[in-house]
Amino acid sequence: GAVVSQHPSRVICKSGTSVKIECRSLDFQATTMFWYRQFPKQSLMLMATSNEGSKATYEQGVEKDKFLINHASLTLSTLTVTSAHPEDSSFYICSAIRGLTGYEQYFGPGTRLTVT
Amino acid sequence: GIQVEQSPPDLILQEGANSTLRCNFSDSVNNLQWFHQNPWGQLINLFYIPSGTKQNGRLSATTVATERYSLLYISSSQTTDSGVYFCAVGTGDMRFGAGTRLTVKP
Repeated sequence: GAVVSQHPSRVICKSGTSVKIECRSLDFQATTMFWYRQFPKQSLMLMATSNEGSKATYEQGVEKDKFLINHASLTLSTLTVTSAHPEDSSFYICSAIRGLTGYEQYFGPGTRLTVT
Repeated sequence: GIQVEQSPPDLILQEGANSTLRCNFSDSVNNLQWFHQNPWGQLINLFYIPSGTKQNGRLSATTVATERYSLLYISSSQTTDSGVYFCAVGTGDMRFGAGTRLTVKP
């Protein structure tokens, strides 16, 4: 069964508004979670690493003030897209390392964001 | 950073055929995973295989870490195998290849 969940699965918002996406690890604790973005027919690109109790680490070119990440507990990380624009429309996927077999990562089902 | 290349980019098979997907990576890795992305976008873990060989039903994978490549074998393909197959490497901040888009025709 799923080990990482995301909510919502899809969201439509108007330009200029903010959207929060939740990522939860189910039945295990994740001190680190990861956020990826995938544009249509493209691969996944890492956006940021979310660390419980500390600031997130962002990949080069990702605006930290636009994509706010909060990892307030060992099972929950949130990504908030602030002042969304149509070009932010994408598929956002989170992941976590379960730790049972080393570094194997499990991915959430993704959130499809459409900004109108 | 580490580069991940997958081949072929597209593959069309007739149901029942076998196929081999390849993943080359530019540096030594502690983690390599193969995923199948279903039509709804969910990444399905196929193999966690930093080295060696594993098999799961009709699928098997081999990673030769010293030569920096991994292979995913699909035997007796079915239409439900269609989708995009990704190889990804890294401990934590994973780097993904561009994927192989597989279409299995009935």
